[in-house]
Amino acid sequence: DAGVTQSPTHLIKTRGQHVTLRCSPISGHKSVSWYQQVLGQGPQFIFQYYEKEERGRGNFPDRFSARQFPNYSSELNVNALLLGDSALYLCASSTGQGAYGYTFGSGTRLTVV
Amino acid sequence: AQTVTQSQPEMSVQEAETVTLSCTYDTSESDYYLFWYKQPPSRQMILVIRQEAYKQQNATENRFSVNFQKAAKSFSLKISDSQLGDAAMYFCAYRSGGGATNKLIFGTGTLLAVQP
Repeated sequence: DAGVTQSPTHLIKTRGQHVTLRCSPISGHKSVSWYQQVLGQGPQFIFQYYEKEERGRGNFPDRFSARQFPNYSSELNVNALLLGDSALYLCASSTGQGAYGYTFGSGTRLTVV
Repeated sequence: AQTVTQSQPEMSVQEAETVTLSCTYDTSESDYYLFWYKQPPSRQMILVIRQEAYKQQNATENRFSVNFQKAAKSFSLKISDSQLGDAAMYFCAYRSGGGATNKLIFGTGTLLAVQP
């Protein structure tokens, strides 16, 4: 079975641009969460979606948005990119609400120049 | 708000030896879950072990075990018979047992080096 897949693996954007990151969960997983991991720190929670509904939002500005599609895949969108948005963006999926842990993808490395 | 603290930025262990990584957390909740994740250079976070707060018995997964001290809010990870493949960043994480949002709260990580 395929794991959690994220695309692209790397990308470079210019300040002020927009970016869309994509995530496909493990088949059968209905929950998708997004995390931002800045170099040298632990991941920080951005969003959680379950059954296509937003179930939680972390302390991130409105420039960050996300959605989940009927096939449970998800997109994370970031507008008006800042240098500080440079980070590894991780997607995680779970069958239910994550009591048994989440399965993470390998992430998208975003560099803003 | 819940917090997770890992006070050891780096640790080193000889191959085949045992190492313990420390984690403390702060919460007023009684129902929660604790996790240890491993992040190798490949970047993918891999679940190592999971503990439910209501269970007194410490979780064990092969060479990995935890020492869960609920009153002290401590959750350390013991790796026995360390192998070269254990070298990675290790993160301790907390998840509330209830509520609509089941986010993971991570510590800052411990970088484990395994010496041959």
